[in-house]
Amino acid sequence: KAGVTQTPRYLIKTRGQQVTLSCSPISGHRSVSWYQQTPGQGLQFLFEYFSETQRNKGNFPGRFSGRQFSNSRSEMNVSTLELGDSALYLCASSPRPQDYEQYFGPGTRLTVT
Amino acid sequence: AQTVTQSQPEMSVQEAETVTLSCTYDTSESDYYLFWYKQPPSRQMILVIRQEAYKQQNATENRFSVNFQKAAKSFSLKISDSQLGDAAMYFCAYRGYTSNTGKLIFGQGTTLQVKP
Repeated sequence: KAGVTQTPRYLIKTRGQQVTLSCSPISGHRSVSWYQQTPGQGLQFLFEYFSETQRNKGNFPGRFSGRQFSNSRSEMNVSTLELGDSALYLCASSPRPQDYEQYFGPGTRLTVT
Repeated sequence: AQTVTQSQPEMSVQEAETVTLSCTYDTSESDYYLFWYKQPPSRQMILVIRQEAYKQQNATENRFSVNFQKAAKSFSLKISDSQLGDAAMYFCAYRGYTSNTGKLIFGQGTTLQVKP
């Protein structure tokens, strides 16, 4: 089985722009979670989706949004980018939210200049 | 709110020796999972070991084992016979059981250096 894939792997954007990151879960996995990783704040939970529904949301401003499609692929969008949004964005998938093992993708490295 | 604390930002160990990484957590839930994840320089996060809170027996996976002290809310990871490939950042993580969500709460991480 192919693992979790994230595209693009690297991205450079300018302050004020918006960005969309994509995550394709492992085949058969319907739960997708997103995390932001920064040196200062560590790993922080962004959102969780299951069957196209957002089940849980972390403490992030409304500029961060996401969605999940019927094929379980997920996207997250960040509007009006700020320098502090520079981070590694990780996606994780599992068959269901309550399954203990989550499989992580390689991440998307976003740099905001 | 649940919190996870890793008080050792960096640790080093000699190849073939044993090292223990510390983790403490705070929660009011009675049922939960605890995990150790490894993130090598390639950045792919990998699950190392998990522990269900209702199990008294400490989990083991080959050279990796945990010391789970529920009353003390402590969850340390022991790596035996350390190998160069063990060099990575290690994260302790918590997940509630009854909340029916996959949300993980991570500690700040411990960078492990393995010296040849």
